[in-house]
Amino acid sequence: EAQVTQNPRYLITVTGKKLTVTCSQNMNHEYMSWYRQDPGLGLRQIYYSMNVEVTDKGDVPEGYKVSRKEKRNFPLILESPSPNQTSLYFCASSLGPGTGAYEQYFGPGTRLTVT
Amino acid sequence: AQSVSQHNHHVILSEAASLELGCNYSYGGTVNLFWYVQYPGQHLQLLLKYFSGDPLVKGIKGFEAEFIKSKFSFNLRKPSVQWSDTAEYFCAVYSSNTGKLIFGQGTTLQVKP
Repeated sequence: EAQVTQNPRYLITVTGKKLTVTCSQNMNHEYMSWYRQDPGLGLRQIYYSMNVEVTDKGDVPEGYKVSRKEKRNFPLILESPSPNQTSLYFCASSLGPGTGAYEQYFGPGTRLTVT
Repeated sequence: AQSVSQHNHHVILSEAASLELGCNYSYGGTVNLFWYVQYPGQHLQLLLKYFSGDPLVKGIKGFEAEFIKSKFSFNLRKPSVQWSDTAEYFCAVYSSNTGKLIFGQGTTLQVKP
């Protein structure tokens, strides 16, 4: 089954404790991205990757890191989480942008709470 | 700055009522347009999309959307909503000028049985 998986689904942590949210897709998509969803703000892109070893900042990259060592995986790293990073996070993959097939496939989401 | 605006933040309808959710964007150039739906507790999934051709696009579950280029709009419609349509709806626009996909703020639809 074609899918995007994320782990963990729920995470409660404390300020400053490094964490990683994993994301994996099995569709051989080149393009992957991370979004955060906040009430009234919709989805905002954090980082994206056009391919292996190619990553770039989205609209709200501060406080986050990513890596793309393999095509299927795109982990999101919070080196020193702060309460303002409490949010719902979605990983997505797609064939585009850059091709005609721009549909995004989303993971199930990770609800992060930073106290 | 490029933006996508969804005018209605929270819509409450009774079953069988007609639905129209607004979406406007401020981009120039060639655009690809999407509506995504997020049912309670679930991830986003594609409802419909427009790349080119007939500006009236039909999607899943009886939804449709009309691209009006002169108005920079891509409104979502359904003639008769059901309780199961209760969800959050996101408009998204990809612009060839920017190379970015931008989401609107989302509209929460609550359908009362």
